[in-house]
Amino acid sequence: DAGVTQSPTHLIKTRGQQVTLRCSPISGHKSVSWYQQVLGQGPQFIFQYYEKEERGRGNFPDRFSARQFPNYSSELNVNALLLGDSALYLCASSSRRAQNTGELFFGEGSRLTVL
Amino acid sequence: GESVGLHLPTLSVQEGDNSIINCAYSNSASDYFIWYKQESGKGPQFIIDIRSNMDKRQGQRVTVLLNKTVKHLSLQIAATQPGDSAVYFCADPSGSARQLTFGSGTQLTVLP
Repeated sequence: DAGVTQSPTHLIKTRGQQVTLRCSPISGHKSVSWYQQVLGQGPQFIFQYYEKEERGRGNFPDRFSARQFPNYSSELNVNALLLGDSALYLCASSSRRAQNTGELFFGEGSRLTVL
Repeated sequence: GESVGLHLPTLSVQEGDNSIINCAYSNSASDYFIWYKQESGKGPQFIIDIRSNMDKRQGQRVTVLLNKTVKHLSLQIAATQPGDSAVYFCADPSGSARQLTFGSGTQLTVLP
């Protein structure tokens, strides 16, 4: 079975531009979460979606937005990019069984570099 | 705010030795903890978890110990192998949506 897939794997943008990152969860998983991982740090929570509804939002500015589609895939959008947005963006999915534990299955991430 | 953290940013061990990676947490209400392994260029991978009503849990070559009195947990890796070289994170689902809060990670390097 395929794991969590993310695209693109790497991308370079300039300040002020906008970026859209995509994620497909593990088949059967209805919850998708997004994390930002700056080099040398642990992942930081951005969003969680379950059944297409936002269930949680981390401490990120409104430039960050996300959505989940009927097939449970998800997109993360970041507007007006800043140099500090350079990071690895991780998508994770979880099953209904894991909703009470928090166990997540991560993709390999999208590496965003902002110049 | 409430958080989890790790004691040492780096740890080097000889191949075949046992490794111990430590983590401290501050939220007394945390009821569940997970250890993740992140290899270079990859996303975090689940290793083992433990609930707060347990003191110890064993997996294949890994053991997690939880000391609720001092809010400390550790990950022990037996007979460390080169493939164990990675960054290790402890995490707990402390958010309102059970989102994971990660510590800063320990880079484990296995020496030949």
